[in-house]
Amino acid sequence: DGGITQSPKYLFRKEGQNVTLSCEQNLNHDAMYWYRQDPGQGLRLIYYSQIVNDFQKGDIAEGYSVSREKKESFPLTVTSAQKNPTAFYLCASTQGADHPYEQYFGPGTRLTVT
Amino acid sequence: AQKVTQAQTEISVVEKEDVTLDCVYETRDTTYYLFWYKQPPSGELVFLIRRNSFDEQNEISGRYSWNFQKSTSSFNFTITASQVVDSAVYFCALSEVFSSGGGADGLTFGKGTHLIIQP
Repeated sequence: DGGITQSPKYLFRKEGQNVTLSCEQNLNHDAMYWYRQDPGQGLRLIYYSQIVNDFQKGDIAEGYSVSREKKESFPLTVTSAQKNPTAFYLCASTQGADHPYEQYFGPGTRLTVT
Repeated sequence: AQKVTQAQTEISVVEKEDVTLDCVYETRDTTYYLFWYKQPPSGELVFLIRRNSFDEQNEISGRYSWNFQKSTSSFNFTITASQVVDSAVYFCALSEVFSSGGGADGLTFGKGTHLIIQP
C-alpha cells in the first residue's frame, strides 16, 4: 500500500542529545514537509523540500536540520540547540511542488526529551 | 502574512445533532487554497477537502458539507447527524499561491477545534 511511514511512534531522549526522526513515502510525491504540533496548538512548519537535494526553512526551523538525498526520504534531526523539543512531529508529502495540492500525513512521532 | 483562526476550541454535542465548525482566514493573495483535516485520537491527519479561492460553490459529501464565503473570509464545516466516530480534532488550513512562489511551501493551520460527540 502507498503511504507515509514515520518511525518510531514514540521516542525518548535525554536532554543534550541529537535525535533523528525518520520519514519515508512511496507515493512518488515531489514535496515533503515536517510539522511540529504542541498540545492545544495547530501544526507549525519546520522544514520543507520540493525537490531532492534542496530544502527550505519553515516558520520554526531553529534547532532542527534535514536532508533530502532521496525522493522517498526526508529525515529530521532535532538537535540539542532546540530549546523545547518535546512535541508531536508529523511528516507530510504532496504530489507536486508547483501547486498547493493536498498534503498527506504520516502517523507521527511523539518525542519526549527529559 | 496569512493566518487561520478557529475560534471554537472545543465543541460538545449529543449524537445526531448537527454541528458547525468555524474557520476564518486572512490572506493578501487573490489565489489561495483552503483545506480541512481531521485528526482522530491516533494522531494522523486525514485530508477532508481542498477548495480554491475561485470556487465558492458549497460542497456536500455525505454528512459533511462546507460553506465557503469570500466576502467574510470564512470556510465553515458542518457535520449533519453527528456520530461518535466524528469525535476528533478538526483543522482548517490555508495555502497561498503567489506569495509562496507556487503554493507548495507548506500549509498555515488554525489551532483546531476539538469536537466531542456524546452518545
